[in-house]
Amino acid sequence: GIQVEQSPPDLILQEGANSTLRCNFSDSVNNLQWFHQNPWGQLINLFYIPSGTKQNGRLSATTVATERYSLLYISSSQTTDSGVYFCAVGGAVGKSTFGDGTTLTVKP
Amino acid sequence: ETGVTQTPRHLVMGMTNKKSLKCEQHLGHNAMYWYKQSAKKPLELMFVYNFKEQTENNSVPSRFSPECPNSSHLFLHLHTLQPEDSALYLCASSQGSPNYGYTFGSGTRLTVV
Repeated sequence: GIQVEQSPPDLILQEGANSTLRCNFSDSVNNLQWFHQNPWGQLINLFYIPSGTKQNGRLSATTVATERYSLLYISSSQTTDSGVYFCAVGGAVGKSTFGDGTTLTVKP
Repeated sequence: ETGVTQTPRHLVMGMTNKKSLKCEQHLGHNAMYWYKQSAKKPLELMFVYNFKEQTENNSVPSRFSPECPNSSHLFLHLHTLQPEDSALYLCASSQGSPNYGYTFGSGTRLTVV
């Protein structure tokens, strides 16, 4: 199956700082999503981005499918950005593989 | 409100109990999933239903029994669980093939005592 590697595993930021999270994958994919899991366990869909670039407020994501990686950018981080960020990549229905996640802590 | 509702949010059960987790999606999706998330582990896919038919069972023990009566509802029946089954159980739905992305519920945090 597809291997998914996220980096860094842990990240600590001061409020207001910018950060880049990376997701590498081992094979071509039909879909890729970024999620934020808040401290209560809720997985919130941030982007569905199998290729290209998208932006939503302070967050943006870029997937370069030919080079098998995706980046999630967080600008002007806030304490509410804390949590675990997952990427999930896959082909057909139900075949998505989740990475191990990046745990982000934003300090006030 | 994410469009996918899971109940209960928390559940404590003994090893001899029988309980059920419920998931309901209001998005018109045709695929539904159960995932397990244990501490310090990545999400593990348990079951996939596509148009009410089970299309994936990732070697899940028989003490977990899924049921999908229609495209909007998904259950996970639990019986004779073990303490190591304690985890966050997440339900998700998607618009099938091609997969336009998952929407997750808030999860059920299960503790087996």
